[in-house]
Order: sequence, then structure tokens, then C-alpha cells
Amino acid sequence: QQPVQSPQAVILREGEDAVINCSSSKALYSVHWYRQKHGEAPVFLMILLKGGEQKGHEKISASFNEKKQQSSLYLTASQLSYSGTYFCGTEMSGTYKYIFGTGTRLKVLA
Amino acid sequence: NAGVMQNPRHLVRRRGQEARLRCSPMKGHSHVYWYRQLPEEGLKFMVYLQKENIIDESGMPKERFSAEFPKEGPSILRIQQVVRGDSAAYFCASSPTTSGDEQFFGPGTRLTVL
Repeated sequence: QQPVQSPQAVILREGEDAVINCSSSKALYSVHWYRQKHGEAPVFLMILLKGGEQKGHEKISASFNEKKQQSSLYLTASQLSYSGTYFCGTEMSGTYKYIFGTGTRLKVLA
Repeated sequence: NAGVMQNPRHLVRRRGQEARLRCSPMKGHSHVYWYRQLPEEGLKFMVYLQKENIIDESGMPKERFSAEFPKEGPSILRIQQVVRGDSAAYFCASSPTTSGDEQFFGPGTRLTVL
């Protein structure tokens, strides 16, 4: 039931791009993306809603394929501050429960 | 506008004791979620509450764990007779509406059971 994220880990150099994928076996109402640095709380990045609405705060883009129950997070021109573990959080249609994905560890090197 | 507050930040308990974790949501938020995170793992949903109501507690162990969100005061996650396996970081998050809105996370309570 837990969404599966890929890749599990990725190492980048500053300025490189990355794509993180989140795949669910259940029909989704929304997908949330968060970044968590070691020892800290998760920080909101983006929400994608069924029907195409998006809400985000940073220069990070994402897509949501409702039919495939998949979402992808696109990190372009990565910065050192992008390092951390990225989680997708999925809200299934008809429930109030958020299920977080397996996580993707991203490290950006100078 | 203060963010989500959790206390204590660190809690040490001996096996068999009780642990009480508190969460004050952001002002204007009436929806609270509790999550557990083991080291190097993801966030596991435990319970979703609105003021005075438990909406979904399907992620919470049936025994020893309970949660409440009273009309006045913080949300409380209580763990009775703690065991070593309860050691984890417990995060609460609040949101203004039921769904479709971001969740604001508190700094977490790190529980260590000796």
C-alpha cells in the first residue's frame, strides 16, 4: 500500500538535474512532496491535486498522472541546499489518511 | 504566526513507563495528524484528529497507544507501558482543511526507551 519511490538514492553535482518518481497502487486524490533534512521535520514542497491543480512554494516542478497513479518531482539546476530525503505523500480517494512513500535520498555535491 | 509546536523535543523513558507527547497546531488549524518515524525510515501515519474527534486511527497500534485533541489545549499522543520498540521520532502535522492542503509539521519529539 505504501507508494514506491525511485530511485532510492541519487548523488548529483551542483547544477545537475534530477527526477524523483512516486508510484501508487491505489487511486489517488492528491500527491504531496516534502523534503526532510537529517534530524529535522519534513518541509512542504508541492501539492498536486486530481484535476491538475498545483500548489508549490519553490522553484521545483512536478507532474501527476492520475491514470497511472504516478507523480514525478523535477529538480533542475540543483543546489547544495537540495540535499535531503524526499518523500511523496499520497492521499487516496475517499480517505483522510496520508501515506508517505519509501523516500529518496538526494545528495548534491559542490 | 507561530508554527506547529511539539513538546517535549526529547523524551527518555524506561520500559513500562508512560510517554505523553504534546502538539499545538498552527493557529486556525483544526486538523491534526500524528506520524512515527524510525531511524532511516519514512513517516508512518498513525492517527488523524479534528477537535474532539478521532477521524482515522487505523495506523495506531490497538494497545497502549491513544490520542486525543480536546476542545481546548494541545493534541496529546499517549503511549502506555512503553517498550524499546517505541523508540522513534514522533511528528505531528496540522492543516486548515481536510484535504488538498499542505501539512505543516512540528519539529518532532524524539522518544528513547531505555
